Amino acid sequence: NAGVTQTPKFQVLKTGQSMTLQCAQDMNHEYMSWYRQDPGMGLRLIHYSVGAGITDQGEVPNGYNVSRSTTEDFPLRLLSAAPSQTSVYFCASRPGGLVGFVNEQFFGPGTRLTVL
Amino acid sequence: DQQVKQNSPSLSVQEGRISILNCDYTNSMFDYFLWYKKYPAEGPTFLISISSIKDKNEDGRFTVFLNKSAKHLSLHIVPSQPGDSAVYFCAASAGQGGSEKLVFGKGTKLTVNP
Repeated sequence: NAGVTQTPKFQVLKTGQSMTLQCAQDMNHEYMSWYRQDPGMGLRLIHYSVGAGITDQGEVPNGYNVSRSTTEDFPLRLLSAAPSQTSVYFCASRPGGLVGFVNEQFFGPGTRLTVL
Repeated sequence: DQQVKQNSPSLSVQEGRISILNCDYTNSMFDYFLWYKKYPAEGPTFLISISSIKDKNEDGRFTVFLNKSAKHLSLHIVPSQPGDSAVYFCAASAGQGGSEKLVFGKGTKLTVNP
């Protein structure tokens, strides 16, 4: 299993450009999430999905769109990039339901995005 | 307002000694807590969790203690090893682990010196 994969690893954008961060998992996990981590900060939830076709907003959803057409993929779209979106983005997944009350999310390696 | 606080940005301990990482929370609705470890240029990896129905959970060298009345939890690593050097994040959620809405602290960088 490759686990959770994210592409690209690094990206530089100009203000106003759009792009899609890709996330895929091969563990047949029902739940997937996107987080951002800013310097000196913890991870903050952007959007999440509890299954194909179902998405919801997290703590910091503005400026981002998501969709979940398949179980495996959960892309994050930046509609019009702003310098405030410079961050490291992490995708995560986990099985549906609870396994012994453990909500263990599996994280990808991250995408480092810089918006100039 | 930070709902999950890790007030120590860094901690340095000697190999073989105990490492104690602390976490405080303000939201009384939180009932499930997790610790993640993160190495540079990698995603966080799950370490250990605890439900509010318990006050202690142990997994090998790692033990998490929960004090609900003080809204405080701590992660003990005994004995500490150089490979434990990483950033440790405390996270919390409401809904007994069933919620996707994890709230993370800012992290504590642990350095274990040989």
